[in-house]
Amino acid sequence: DSGVTQTPKHLITATGQRVTLRCSPRSGDLSVYWYQQSLDQGLQFLIQYYNGEERAKGNILERFSAQQFPDLHSELNLSSLELGDSALYFCASSVGGTSYEQYFGPGTRLTVT
Amino acid sequence: LAKTTQPISMDSYEGQEVNITCSHNNIATNDYITWYQQFPSQGPRFIIQGYKTKVTNEVASLFIPADRKSSTLSLPRVSLSDTAVYYCGAKRDAGNMLTFGGGTRLMVKP
Repeated sequence: DSGVTQTPKHLITATGQRVTLRCSPRSGDLSVYWYQQSLDQGLQFLIQYYNGEERAKGNILERFSAQQFPDLHSELNLSSLELGDSALYFCASSVGGTSYEQYFGPGTRLTVT
Repeated sequence: LAKTTQPISMDSYEGQEVNITCSHNNIATNDYITWYQQFPSQGPRFIIQGYKTKVTNEVASLFIPADRKSSTLSLPRVSLSDTAVYYCGAKRDAGNMLTFGGGTRLMVKP
């Protein structure tokens, strides 16, 4: 158990819909990261927040957005969903923003039908 | 960020030493090399990280040559429970973001 929690565990929705994935980092961790893992693209970095502010952006689509709240939990919002958005979405956290190992949550499996 | 390439799969036997090599030809000066392990239906788990030369912890060693264009993860005396996917990644120090390769599926046989 990494100490990072993600909800929901599974999510099935239809194309065109919008969903919100939630992540609670380990106690004391200020950085939250979101990753997408699909069979054809592997594990891809989406976005990072540090203490409530966006720190880095990766291959995140404009249809996706995220935020980190004052209590440090984070939400990833996915809208206008397409079949290709079906994937595992992982949240990770770390103590700081640099040179620290990341602790991954169990992931949310999103299926778009 | 650096693009990493590693073998798709490897087989080994219990008790053997396993070396998984990753190439990262375009690694940047401020990138760290990091390795994670992933079991089915779980998130990746940190194994080891280094910048250059050799790093060792209680579970693995990481060898990085002077040119830093490749790295080798060494797992001593593997057991069946080491069967997993191993990801080589580059980590930019400033943002701490990770970029991973496709992963190496290690199968340890009895």
